[in-house]
Amino acid sequence: AQKVTQAQTEISVVEKEDVTLDCVYETRDTTYYLFWYKQPPSGELVFLIRRNSFDEQNEISGRYSWNFQKSTSSFNFTITASQVVDSAVYFCALSEASSSNTGKLIFGQGTTLQVKP
Amino acid sequence: DAMVIQNPRYQVTQFGKPVTLSCSQTLNHNVMYWYQQKSSQAPKLLFHYYDKDFNNEADTPDNFQSRRPNTSFCFLDIRSPGLGDAAMYLCATSRGQGTADTQYFGPGTRLTVL
Repeated sequence: AQKVTQAQTEISVVEKEDVTLDCVYETRDTTYYLFWYKQPPSGELVFLIRRNSFDEQNEISGRYSWNFQKSTSSFNFTITASQVVDSAVYFCALSEASSSNTGKLIFGQGTTLQVKP
Repeated sequence: DAMVIQNPRYQVTQFGKPVTLSCSQTLNHNVMYWYQQKSSQAPKLLFHYYDKDFNNEADTPDNFQSRRPNTSFCFLDIRSPGLGDAAMYLCATSRGQGTADTQYFGPGTRLTVL
């Protein structure tokens, strides 16, 4: 069965600290896609990254970086030098190729990140 | 800018009074989705349209219906809202030209049921 687990319900850090949000997934598909979305207090889900199962290269985008490890079924997200504007709920999500063109997203429960000044 | 628009952002309705939420997109995407998100929970897919083909999730209550009159617009109708239907409703779109295309979300409509 497909499942996404974000074990950290809430994380609180002080500005400029680095923080890592964990994501562990389960799937029987060999082809799948992993996503991270940010949901600020305004409510909109903002797309951050999409990674397919055949690309294990880590990615860096500014202060954001992602570590994809198939061996541990993890897709962790690190924010370097956190800022108050990073405060939000972050969702990790999985989409399996077998879901065909529907691209159904299976979300984790989300991690609430609070960055204090 | 191409985007996903939802109106209204906040909707208040009375118990049992039908309500319609709207979503429009300028991305010309084939697929439109409706999600329900209750407080402190992950979004839950209600249904989606691939072009004109409607796909209902198995556990979506009959109280929820949807219409897609054209590529740009999609509506969520709640026929008889209950207190348990109070939630954020998110619309999303994707190209639908391959598996697991990225979904782009609108700002959501927060529904209150009195």
